[in-house]
Amino acid sequence: AQSVAQPEDQVNVAEGNPLTVKCTYSVSGNPYLFWYVQYPNRGLQFLLKYITGDNLVKGSYGFEAEFNKSQTSFHLKKPSALVSDSALYFCAARTGFQKLVFGTGTRLLVSP
Amino acid sequence: NAGVTQTPKFQVLKTGQSMTLQCAQDMNHNSMYWYRQDPGMGLRLIYYSASEGTTDKGEVPNGYNVSRLNKREFSLRLESAAPSQTSVYFCASSRDTLNSASGANVLTFGAGSRLTVL
Repeated sequence: AQSVAQPEDQVNVAEGNPLTVKCTYSVSGNPYLFWYVQYPNRGLQFLLKYITGDNLVKGSYGFEAEFNKSQTSFHLKKPSALVSDSALYFCAARTGFQKLVFGTGTRLLVSP
Repeated sequence: NAGVTQTPKFQVLKTGQSMTLQCAQDMNHNSMYWYRQDPGMGLRLIYYSASEGTTDKGEVPNGYNVSRLNKREFSLRLESAAPSQTSVYFCASSRDTLNSASGANVLTFGAGSRLTVL
């Protein structure tokens, strides 16, 4: 069965510092991988996705994610965090005909 | 540019009552989905509709029914609400079905409906 793991419930980082939100996946075949962000009282918004090609994917708001096939990971990164990046982040994965599976989410808290 | 619109935003029900959550999208998307979001459990798929006229069960369909009224609208009905259905419900849509090999699909989500069952 497909699964996505986000091992950290919360990540704390100071504004201006780099941030990483971790994601590992377990799917059969070549994965499509996604990151979504949820701000308070809002729906999820698409940030970026990996389909194929370059392992480093760039997305919205200065975020990027690195696909690592050997470690089955797709960690979300940003070189310099902003207070406004504070939100709930979801990793998701699917392959071929399978349904999209979400991780449990990681709350990012950026302190001034 | 409305995207995906859900109503109501908030609802409180008593156990055994029924209600319908409405969802409409204006992006001409083929596929529509209903998820529930619970703390520590992420998003779980309740039902989806790959195209107008079709619906299929997701991970957690028990206690729910859906109707794909037309291409734009996809409703979720709770026939006899239970406290375990207290959750935040999200409707989403995408251009293609998740069960196709047509490529990676981006979901567009509504703002959510917070349901409390007492």
